[in-house]
Amino acid sequence: GAVVSQHPSRVICKSGTSVKIECRSLDFQATTMFWYRQFPKQSLMLMATSNEGSKATYEQGVEKDKFLINHASLTLSTLTVTSAHPEDSSFYICSAWGDNEQFFGPGTRLTVL
Amino acid sequence: GENVEQHPSTLSVQEGDSAVIKCTYSDSASNYFPWYKQELGKRPQLIIDIRSNVGEKKDQRIAVTLNKTAKHFSLHITETQPEDSAVYFCAASEGTGGFKTIFGAGTRLFVKA
Repeated sequence: GAVVSQHPSRVICKSGTSVKIECRSLDFQATTMFWYRQFPKQSLMLMATSNEGSKATYEQGVEKDKFLINHASLTLSTLTVTSAHPEDSSFYICSAWGDNEQFFGPGTRLTVL
Repeated sequence: GENVEQHPSTLSVQEGDSAVIKCTYSDSASNYFPWYKQELGKRPQLIIDIRSNVGEKKDQRIAVTLNKTAKHFSLHITETQPEDSAVYFCAASEGTGGFKTIFGAGTRLFVKA
């Protein structure tokens, strides 16, 4: 099946810094990718829809200026958490549709100190 | 927008017994209903899905039923095994191939040996 990768798998940063997470579709092209956030023992909450070549669509309550999304190619979407704070610590997962199935990346665990 | 509710939040069964997880959705435009299994720290894995033109689907020990009129769908696991222990999420989408997916809150299943 299709493969979606994420990098890095884990990142620890200081409060106030920015962190970039990459999501790649390895063997297929994805005009649309999705970014989710998952806090411990909670569900996957959709943050935004990343559209290749155009602006991302953010879900209600998600700050677009804090979570910058860039989808510059058909195989790469990036999520940048700007001015990260401890409450941004979470598991970030991306996904993309391939072969009529949604494939998820392995996730990135962000810890903000 | 779509809202997916899932019950129970925790389910404990004896090995060999059946487990049933129920979900409801709110958006009548949703027509694709996947179920995911997620182990701690890992990405969600699709275990079965159902489309709105079908009322029931079965794959070995796993079955899913859908009542589109009532906006209910359920996951049935028979002959449970300890390795079935995980968190299960139901989800709803307007379709495959680029539509966003909204997740239920999750059910933590414990199968006791």
